Amino acid sequence: DAGVIQSPRHEVTEMGQEVTLRCKPISGHNSLFWYRQTMMRGLELLIYFNNNVPIDDSGMPEDRFSAKMPNASFSTLKIQPSEPRDSAVYFCASTKTGAPRRDGYTFGSGTRLTVV
Amino acid sequence: AQSVTQPDIHITVSEGASLELRCNYSYGATPYLFWYVQSPGQGLQLLLKYFSGDTLVQGIKGFEAEFKRSQSSFNLRKPSVHWSDAAEYFCAVGGGGGADGLTFGKGTHLIIQP
Repeated sequence: DAGVIQSPRHEVTEMGQEVTLRCKPISGHNSLFWYRQTMMRGLELLIYFNNNVPIDDSGMPEDRFSAKMPNASFSTLKIQPSEPRDSAVYFCASTKTGAPRRDGYTFGSGTRLTVV
Repeated sequence: AQSVTQPDIHITVSEGASLELRCNYSYGATPYLFWYVQSPGQGLQLLLKYFSGDTLVQGIKGFEAEFKRSQSSFNLRKPSVHWSDAAEYFCAVGGGGGADGLTFGKGTHLIIQP
């Protein structure tokens, strides 16, 4: 099991550019979560999907943020246009609905985004 | 709304000493509780979880946690810490059987003194 795979690990971009973060959940997991971690706000849930359908995006900070899950094995988080205050570590996590009792929630290694 | 409070931002412990990290939660129903550890530059690793049953749960790396409903607490303990335990520790609460996300505390930074 390769775990939750995120790419890229590091991203440096200029203000105003579009940024796309990618996530591949564990095979068989049908719930996927995007989190953002900053020193000031800690770990915040941005959006989550169940069976590829967005369930709650109330944590998405602005319309500049969007997320998709076109199939069970891939999700993207896009920021357009990016701003310096978007600099953070973005984590993806997955689990199987009804199975966190056994499996917990598995996190990827994160993408460290720096917007200059 | 659910919330998690970790009252200690930093804790310093001598190597070999015992450890207790505090966690208090607020949740409207039966909570699912988790402890994660994060080493610098790394993702979050699950230490242990509580869903029901025995209120003392055992995890990896010699950690344990005790669920106390009357105190809304889920404190993490280890009888003897090692230098490799230095990291950031996060308590989290969730529910819905995995259909919704976790709410995390702000974390406790553990420093190990030689």
